[in-house]
Amino acid sequence: EPEVTQTPSHQVTQMGQEVILRCVPISNHLYFYWYRQILGQKVEFLVSFYNNEISEKSEIFDDQFSVERPDGSNFTLKIRSTKLEDSAMYFCASRTGLGLYGYTFGSGTRLTVV
Amino acid sequence: AQSVTQPDIHITVSEGASLELRCNYSYGATPYLFWYVQSPGQGLQLLLKYFSGDTLVQGIKGFEAEFKRSQSSFNLRKPSVHWSDAAEYFCAVGNKEYGNKLVFGAGTILRVKS
Repeated sequence: EPEVTQTPSHQVTQMGQEVILRCVPISNHLYFYWYRQILGQKVEFLVSFYNNEISEKSEIFDDQFSVERPDGSNFTLKIRSTKLEDSAMYFCASRTGLGLYGYTFGSGTRLTVV
Repeated sequence: AQSVTQPDIHITVSEGASLELRCNYSYGATPYLFWYVQSPGQGLQLLLKYFSGDTLVQGIKGFEAEFKRSQSSFNLRKPSVHWSDAAEYFCAVGNKEYGNKLVFGAGTILRVKS
């Protein structure tokens, strides 16, 4: 079964450093998403991306965040200057163009900011 | 806006007993509804989903859920719980009118006692 692949599975970074979280969505999917889950809390939507631009972003997704699809296969989330409160599990998801069919989450990247 | 309520933060059941986890959503039209399970430090595993049709949906691991439009509910059930079912369970709702992003409930932590 096709999978959404996220790397790394765990990343530790110093406060103020830039991090890039990487995702390889399912190959025929068109819509891409990032979600965040702070430890012990629910999963929250960050941003959606389609046709090489942001479709929607939440109020969490401020200027320190950016997303990019640098080639035909990768989808990245960059955090420019990490804060302690950015420590969370970040999930990538992708889906086909047919509504919510095929909505698939990756296994997540646990980001720890120290 | 869409919202999801999981009224039970923790539930404890005995192994072999039946289980029902509650989920209520707030949305005008028929949403797409999902149940995910998450073990500590792990990713999200899709248990089942409802898009349309038969309101009783079968999923993996012996789980089922019933969509009740009149009650705006999508409760998850299992007739006989196994110790390995101990995890956190999230209900989520999505719809194309809201950009096909998923809105998650706060989760229910299931403990299984032997």
